[in-house]
Amino acid sequence: TQLLEQSPQFLSIQEGENLTVYCNSSSVFSSLQWYRQEPGEGPVLLVTVVTGGEVKKLKRLTFQFGDARKDSSLHITAAQPGDTGLYLCAGTNFGNEKLTFGTGTRLTIIP
Amino acid sequence: DTGVSQDPRHKITKRGQNVTFRCDPISEHNRLYWYRQTLGQGPEFLTYFQNEAQLEKSRLLSDRFSAERPKGSFSTLEIQRTEQGDSAMYLCASSLLGQRLIETQYFGPGTRLLVL
Repeated sequence: TQLLEQSPQFLSIQEGENLTVYCNSSSVFSSLQWYRQEPGEGPVLLVTVVTGGEVKKLKRLTFQFGDARKDSSLHITAAQPGDTGLYLCAGTNFGNEKLTFGTGTRLTIIP
Repeated sequence: DTGVSQDPRHKITKRGQNVTFRCDPISEHNRLYWYRQTLGQGPEFLTYFQNEAQLEKSRLLSDRFSAERPKGSFSTLEIQRTEQGDSAMYLCASSLLGQRLIETQYFGPGTRLLVL
């Protein structure tokens, strides 16, 4: 069974600070996706990375896929209260598009 | 395009009752997925369809669970003889399997089930 572990599980920081969330596995994934989920809603896709070493930027968010395609990170610069939410990484395997989700990081940005 | 919709959004039922959830995917999406999410956890895969064919079922899907997608459009997930352990958020996602290498799944708002 493939597992994705995220750290930290909970993170509470002041507005304006920077933060990094990690997603780690011992397995290789063909692609890795990051989602944000608000309470009572479904996950919303932020980004998909498919190439080892790939870096993608989405405004203040920077996503990186590890060289070996086993891990990923999400870095947020100058966090804002609107960034508050549950961040989930999810991986797919070659030829099988079901998502294997990580354990999640609950982020709270304090104004 | 109105996105993936799920009905009902919330369901409270007594142990032993049957419940049925509906998912309407984005039109023309040929793949439809069901996931279950318990409090404080990431979603877990249950099953998925390509058009009307159910292609994979997780071991999480016990005999009390059944899913259908009769015409390759909307899907239903039924739970028979509900148990308290079935309490969770049930999420539906759809995607378009095409020529692109990356398949993006779009999630609905979920149905939150509480079994008393």
